[in-house]
Amino acid sequence: DIVMTQSPDSLAVSLGERATINCKSSQSVLYSSNSKNYLAWFQQKPGQPPKLLIYWASTRESGVPDRFSGSGSGTDFTLTISSLQAEDAAVYYCQQYFSTPQTFGQGTKLEIK
Amino acid sequence: QLQLQESGPGLVKPSETLSLTCTVSGGSISSSDYYWGWIRQPPGKGLEWIGTIYYSGATYYNPSLKSRVTIFVDTSKNQFSLRLSSVTAADTALYYCARHYLPAAILSWFDPWGQGTLVTVSS
Repeated sequence: DIVMTQSPDSLAVSLGERATINCKSSQSVLYSSNSKNYLAWFQQKPGQPPKLLIYWASTRESGVPDRFSGSGSGTDFTLTISSLQAEDAAVYYCQQYFSTPQTFGQGTKLEIK
Repeated sequence: QLQLQESGPGLVKPSETLSLTCTVSGGSISSSDYYWGWIRQPPGKGLEWIGTIYYSGATYYNPSLKSRVTIFVDTSKNQFSLRLSSVTAADTALYYCARHYLPAAILSWFDPWGQGTLVTVSS
């Protein structure tokens, strides 16, 4: 299984500041034949299912504010929120879909400072 | 717009079988070449993929649960279902159904998701 490890487990960021969440996979999720990284990011708020933010490591889902961006390749990935808004308080998960079993990171709880 | 809704008992006794159904609306399971999955989330914890079924009936299970999991599809009702046998307290979780986003691709992200249903294992 590919193990996904997120860091930090939690962070508190002030409104308007940048938030950065990291995700590391135990093996590369870059598929050489199409040069795509098989990694997604989700946001989950209490009482709600995960909401897709980013796929292919850096493609923003339609309707997701452009303050959310994804970057990285191979085994190291980052979700960046450029200017934190109050509604961004949530738990964020990365997911690899390079191979089954598809696996998720343990989650990063983002709070407003 | 495609929507998924989980249903089933909220309380299951230890050693018994957990049974859940996901009803799909806004689209047909049988007329599309998508994969449909189950994911669970223990209270306060992270997400675990349980397994997936293709519209044709082919199944793929997480090896950690494979001996206890069965997923099947009922195209006449536009539903797919999960059975997890010999449950213990460790199976207490919020259970979600979701579609693999890309057609004909199990290796794709999950979207959309159902709202989830909480199943508690307790005597």
